[in-house]
Amino acid sequence: GAGVSQTPSNKVTEKGKYVELRCDPISGHTALYWYRQSLGQGPEFLIYFQGTGAADDSGLPNDRFFAVRPEGSVSTLKIQRTERGDSAVYLCASSLGGQGRETQYFGPGTRLLVL
Amino acid sequence: SQQGEEDPQALSIQEGENATMNCSYKTSINNLQWYRQNSGRGLVHLILIRSNEREKHSGRLRVTLDTSKKSSSLLITASRAADTASYFCATASFSGVQGAQKLVFGQGTRLTINP
Repeated sequence: GAGVSQTPSNKVTEKGKYVELRCDPISGHTALYWYRQSLGQGPEFLIYFQGTGAADDSGLPNDRFFAVRPEGSVSTLKIQRTERGDSAVYLCASSLGGQGRETQYFGPGTRLLVL
Repeated sequence: SQQGEEDPQALSIQEGENATMNCSYKTSINNLQWYRQNSGRGLVHLILIRSNEREKHSGRLRVTLDTSKKSSSLLITASRAADTASYFCATASFSGVQGAQKLVFGQGTRLTINP
């Protein structure tokens, strides 16, 4: 079956612009996660959705970052007034959720470059 | 912040040899997962070991977990050139927020298998 997909694959934008990154999770997965990975580092947690609600957004770095999942499937990560430090690979993952179903399946990521 | 620390940061061995990577963490966990990443993009889930398990096998992979020492190891036996990649350990703890289980990654081990 289809895995997690993310669009676009690459995004180049200018400092101060607004960007949206999209994630399509595996069908039937109720849990959806966003991570950010800087060069040479491991991924860092941003936000987690269980269904439509953000269950844990403690990893969002500041209020320029926001994510939604209005119908409990596709999610969009939104970044306002982008800064050069936002440049990274943004990874999305999904899982069935719940005890015994914790394995997270990752998408290929969106590489964001802020000039 | 990242909880896991992988050791070594880089490892280069000959094809056919065994590769061992270690991971240490700081807080109590529900489970620990190992992932592989090629070319800085999507992560591939390798194996999950729960906090009440001590060892797990999957094909050429063997994972151990010592919760008293807060450490885990990943052993790849009979390595192949295709095993060249970065390997990350990630710890999972239920946050109490609707069962959220964010992953906290280490910085990874860059494994190179020489033909």
